Amino acid sequence: AQSVTQLDSQVPVFEEAPVELRCNYSSSVSVYLFWYVQYPNQGLQLLLKYLSGSTLVKGINGFEAEFNKSQTSFHLRKPSVHISDTAEYFCAVSDMNYGGSQGNLIFGKGTKLSVKP
Amino acid sequence: NAGVTQTPKFQVLKTGQSMTLQCAQDMNHNSMYWYRQDPGMGLRLIYYSASEGTTDKGEVPNGYNVSRLNKREFSLRLESAAPSQTSVYFCASMTLGGTEYGYTFGSGTRLTVV
Repeated sequence: AQSVTQLDSQVPVFEEAPVELRCNYSSSVSVYLFWYVQYPNQGLQLLLKYLSGSTLVKGINGFEAEFNKSQTSFHLRKPSVHISDTAEYFCAVSDMNYGGSQGNLIFGKGTKLSVKP
Repeated sequence: NAGVTQTPKFQVLKTGQSMTLQCAQDMNHNSMYWYRQDPGMGLRLIYYSASEGTTDKGEVPNGYNVSRLNKREFSLRLESAAPSQTSVYFCASMTLGGTEYGYTFGSGTRLTVV
């Protein structure tokens, strides 16, 4: 079974600073990886996903993530954050061999990004 | 607009009452899911349906039942609500289609059990 660990529950950062939100996963099979963002009192919005190909994935709002298979990581980065990036971010994984329970999306516990002026 | 529709958006129940959360998708997806979100816990899978006519337990199924009424609809029922079921519930559907592989989430149902 897969699992996802988001290494930081809260990340405070000043506006225009770079940020990295860390995500590690464990799985016995190849996986698909996702990052979602949730603004206060709203639903989930897909930031980016890794399915195959280039290990550097670019998403919306200037975010990018790098898939590192050897380190089983999928860290999210942004070179310069804005106040409007304040939100909770979730890393999630599903395995590639769909059938039965496979294909279920497993979430990390989330990282709250707080951008201060 | 195509997507996943959840009803109701908000609900307050008394302990012991029952209710059904409705979910419908119009994207012809085979797989549908129910998650609950609690502070500091992320989203946890309650039940899923890999295809019409099948349902299976996820990580936290106790106190819930589900029905996959047809390909479009997947409902979640609380037979006897408990305060521990106070949560935000999300329904999702999934497509396997190549580069379009992904999950679409509803806007959530905020449930309070008093």
